[in-house]
Amino acid sequence: NSKVIQTPRYLVKGQGQKAKMRCIPEKGHPVVFWYQQNKNNEFKFLINFQNQEVLQQIDMTEKRFSAECPSNSPCSLEIQSSEAGDSALYLCASSRGVQDTQYFGPGTRLLVL
Amino acid sequence: GDSVTQTEGQVTVSESKSLIINCTYSATSIGYPNLFWYVRYPGEGLQLLLKVITAGQKGSSRGFEATYNKEATSFHLQKASVQESDSAVYYCALSESQGGRALIFGTGTTVSVSP
Repeated sequence: NSKVIQTPRYLVKGQGQKAKMRCIPEKGHPVVFWYQQNKNNEFKFLINFQNQEVLQQIDMTEKRFSAECPSNSPCSLEIQSSEAGDSALYLCASSRGVQDTQYFGPGTRLLVL
Repeated sequence: GDSVTQTEGQVTVSESKSLIINCTYSATSIGYPNLFWYVRYPGEGLQLLLKVITAGQKGSSRGFEATYNKEATSFHLQKASVQESDSAVYYCALSESQGGRALIFGTGTTVSVSP
């Protein structure tokens, strides 16, 4: 079973508010991925890190989304100004390397009213 | 771009019957992607069921099997005899060979096993 920890499990925000969620990867996993799963069960890759460095991110992430994985602290994903379309399940996954199996956390379900 | 297609959104099957969940992929920018089946049981997180990284090989786990068919670009999941505990959402996925190795998922197949 995965040992990726995500907090909070549920997050409710108004439009325009900041929304921040955190992820603690499995011990020994320097690679962290963030995905968004929408109400249609479609997954979208957002960003990933190896240690503190960004490996790849999509355009959407560069605008309202920000993420970081500081040393000795949880990784975080923050939406600066939430929109209704951001309502989704945000999944964090970690792996030993970019080519290795990704292990997922339970997710943070964001509802933007 | 690259994509994964699962044609059945929901499948209902009786206990002890066989199950097949179809998965096809398009990997125009990837030569030979890695292929995965993930599963989400009720109330639990997404977990890896099986993976195959070599074309022509078969992966198996918990009685499920899937064969990497490069010619048909398919990776169907099968089980000969399902149990009620197999009720879950199953996701087929592939990983890119370049960049950050992000996973590309299908939209999932919800399997309900009736007693």
